[in-house]
Amino acid sequence: EAQVTQNPRYLITVTGKKLTVTCSQNMNHEYMSWYRQDPGLGLRQIYYSMNVEVTDKGDVPEGYKVSRKEKRNFPLILESPSPNQTSLYFCASSPQIVDEQFFGPGTRLTVL
Amino acid sequence: AQSVTQLDSQVPVFEEAPVELRCNYSSSVSVYLFWYVQYPNQGLQLLLKYLSGSTLVKGINGFEAEFNKSQTSFHLRKPSVHISDTAEYFCAVAGSNTGKLIFGQGTTLQVKP
Repeated sequence: EAQVTQNPRYLITVTGKKLTVTCSQNMNHEYMSWYRQDPGLGLRQIYYSMNVEVTDKGDVPEGYKVSRKEKRNFPLILESPSPNQTSLYFCASSPQIVDEQFFGPGTRLTVL
Repeated sequence: AQSVTQLDSQVPVFEEAPVELRCNYSSSVSVYLFWYVQYPNQGLQLLLKYLSGSTLVKGINGFEAEFNKSQTSFHLRKPSVHISDTAEYFCAVAGSNTGKLIFGQGTTLQVKP
């Protein structure tokens, strides 16, 4: 089944404790992206990747890191999480940016 | 840089009535435009997209949108809504020379019986 998977789905952590949210797609898509969704703000792009080893900042990259060492995986790293990073995070992939993006199920992160 | 504004945060409408969800964008380059829908507790699903060509775009579930370059708008319409259309709708824009995808703040469509 074609899908985008994210882990974990739910995470409660404390300020400053490094964490990684994994994202994997099995559709051989070149384009992958991370978004955060907050009430009243819609989705805001954190980072995107046009292909392996090619990543670039979205609108809200501060406090986040990503890597794209393989085509299928695009992990999101929070080196030192802070409470303002409490949010719902979505990973998405598509063949190219002009194509439909397939979204993962979301990761709800709470930073205390 | 691109930006997108959804002009209504909530749109209440009665079942079988027509609806229009408004989206304006700004960009200094050619753009690609999208409408996505998010049902409660789910991810986003593409309704339709405009890349080039005909300015009237038809999508899934009876939705359509019209690209208006002079007014920099991409409004979403449906002639007759159903209860099942209750969801949050997002307009998004991507520049033709970038991988950035900018989403609007979202419009909650509430269809009442």
